[in-house]
Amino acid sequence: DGGITQSPKYLFRKEGQNVTLSCEQNLNHDAMYWYRQDPGQGLRLIYYSQIVNDFQKGDIAEGYSVSREKKESFPLTVTSAQKNPTAFYLCASSIVVAGGYEQYFGPGTRLTVT
Amino acid sequence: EDQVTQSPEALRLQEGESSSLNCSYTVSGLRGLFWYRQDPGKGPEFLFTLYSAGEEKEKERLKATLTKKESFLHITAPKPEDSATYLCAVGTGNQFYFGTGTSLTVIP
Repeated sequence: DGGITQSPKYLFRKEGQNVTLSCEQNLNHDAMYWYRQDPGQGLRLIYYSQIVNDFQKGDIAEGYSVSREKKESFPLTVTSAQKNPTAFYLCASSIVVAGGYEQYFGPGTRLTVT
Repeated sequence: EDQVTQSPEALRLQEGESSSLNCSYTVSGLRGLFWYRQDPGKGPEFLFTLYSAGEEKEKERLKATLTKKESFLHITAPKPEDSATYLCAVGTGNQFYFGTGTSLTVIP
């Protein structure tokens, strides 16, 4: 089955620790994205990558870092510099289709930092 | 400023009571208007993409329409299993802009 996998589903960390969230896709999509979702707010873009070894900051990149060494993988590191890291994190990938493009999401990782 | 606004924030319907959800946008360079369904604790599930004004798409009890400034998601004779949050997003260039969603509850 083709799709996007994120692991783990739930993640707990102590304040001051860095943590890396995994995102893998086997859809052969070029572009990948990381979003953060908080209650009452729309999804906010953290980082996106159009091709391997290239990525751009989104609206809320401070305190986060990414890498894109392989087309299939786009891990997100939440650093200790992120002031409010507790959130639901969603990875997505997109593909160009006739007339536009489509974006698909993984199941998400809920990060809790205490 | 690019913006996507969804209304209402929450909607309660009796089973079988049809209604519509609204998504209005002020975005330049629209490359697609997307509708997603999201269940609690899960990632959004892709429903539709609309690309140009006048376009319509249907899937079971859902029908999405697009004008130059807004999109509607019509729900015909909803069932309890249609209860979810429906998200609207606009794609432009390399980015997608999301609304805050409409939480739909269908009561048996």
